[in-house]
Amino acid sequence: KAGVTQTPRYLIKTRGQQVTLSCSPISGHRSVSWYQQTPGQGLQFLFEYFSETQRNKGNFPGRFSGRQFSNSRSEMNVSTLELGDSALYLCASSFDRAAYGYTFGSGTRLTVV
Amino acid sequence: DQQVKQNSPSLSVQEGRISILNCDYTNSMFDYFLWYKKYPAEGPTFLISISSIKDKNEDGRFTVFLNKSAKHLSLHIVPSQPGDSAVYFCAAETSGTSYGKLTFGQGTILTVHP
Repeated sequence: KAGVTQTPRYLIKTRGQQVTLSCSPISGHRSVSWYQQTPGQGLQFLFEYFSETQRNKGNFPGRFSGRQFSNSRSEMNVSTLELGDSALYLCASSFDRAAYGYTFGSGTRLTVV
Repeated sequence: DQQVKQNSPSLSVQEGRISILNCDYTNSMFDYFLWYKKYPAEGPTFLISISSIKDKNEDGRFTVFLNKSAKHLSLHIVPSQPGDSAVYFCAAETSGTSYGKLTFGQGTILTVHP
């Protein structure tokens, strides 16, 4: 059974640019959540999509956005990149909620210079 | 406001002994709790979970205990092995209103010495 696939694994961008990260969930999973991990703030929830609808959103500025496609694949976009956006971005997929388990991908390491 | 706290940044134990990792929470609406293990530059790997209707769940060497009145959970690893050395995160969800959103603690670095 294939796991959660995140692409790309590593990314270097310049301040002011925008970036799009991709997440392919486990087959059959309809929920995809995104998290940002930084040394100072730990793992913080960005947003969650279920069947193409955003069900939950964390406390991040509007520069952070996402979407989910009909095949459950999800993308997140960060516009006008800032140095502080440098982080490991993780996505997790689930059939529905915690009781069904959340499986994380290996993440995308974004470095903003 | 940190709703899930892991007050011990690190823990060091000898191989074969018990490792006990602790986690406290403040939000009484949390009804599902999970433990994850994480290596640098990798995603968290699920270890074990527990519903708020239970007080204990076991899976091999891993046991999670939940004390709802104290808003405290702990992960016991017996016996500890060097391969268990990693960062351990506890996480919580309010399934009724916050589907898909896990609130994580800051993590505890476990080092198991041979």
